Amino acid sequence: DAGVIQSPRHEVTEMGQEVTLRCKPISGHDYLFWYRQTMMRGLELLIYFNNNVPIDDSGMPEDRFSAKMPNASFSTLKIQPSEPRDSAVYFCASSSRGSGNTEAFFGQGTRLTVV
Amino acid sequence: AQKVTQAQTEISVVEKEDVTLDCVYETRDTTYYLFWYKQPPSGELVFLIRRNSFDEQNEISGRYSWNFQKSTSSFNFTITASQVVDSAVYFCALSDLVSGYSTLTFGKGTMLLVSP
Repeated sequence: DAGVIQSPRHEVTEMGQEVTLRCKPISGHDYLFWYRQTMMRGLELLIYFNNNVPIDDSGMPEDRFSAKMPNASFSTLKIQPSEPRDSAVYFCASSSRGSGNTEAFFGQGTRLTVV
Repeated sequence: AQKVTQAQTEISVVEKEDVTLDCVYETRDTTYYLFWYKQPPSGELVFLIRRNSFDEQNEISGRYSWNFQKSTSSFNFTITASQVVDSAVYFCALSDLVSGYSTLTFGKGTMLLVSP
């Protein structure tokens, strides 16, 4: 399996611009997560989906952030407008509950820099 | 609320030394899962182990071993005969009923530096 695939790996954008991060989960996984990693706050959950339905978006910092999962193989995280404080590494992860809880597999992350 | 504490921010050792990374967690649930992830300098997060709260047996995988003690709410990770390739940030994480056993609460991580 190719694992969780995120694009782009690096994104540099100017403040005020729209940014879209993309994620392809592992085939067959029914959970998809978006996490953000910063030096100050560490790894924190932004939102997660189960069977393409958003379950908990309480971690989304502001209305500027939105996430969608139009089908089982694709999700996006959008920031509009972007701000310098959004600079972070954004990870997508997927997992499969199956017969029991299983670990989440992470993508390589997207390093976002907003200048 | 659930919480994971990794008190060691950074550890430096010389190759072949043994090193233990500490993890202490808080949860109100009786059923929960604990994890360790490794983040090498390349940045990805690599899953190492999952342990459920009913299984207190220690686990060994090659040079890695994990000590789960429910009585002290700890899930410590030991690397025996460390190697330079072990240099990374290691995260302990918790998944419990509050999260539907789906999402992870991470500790702040411990950076391990192994020098030759």
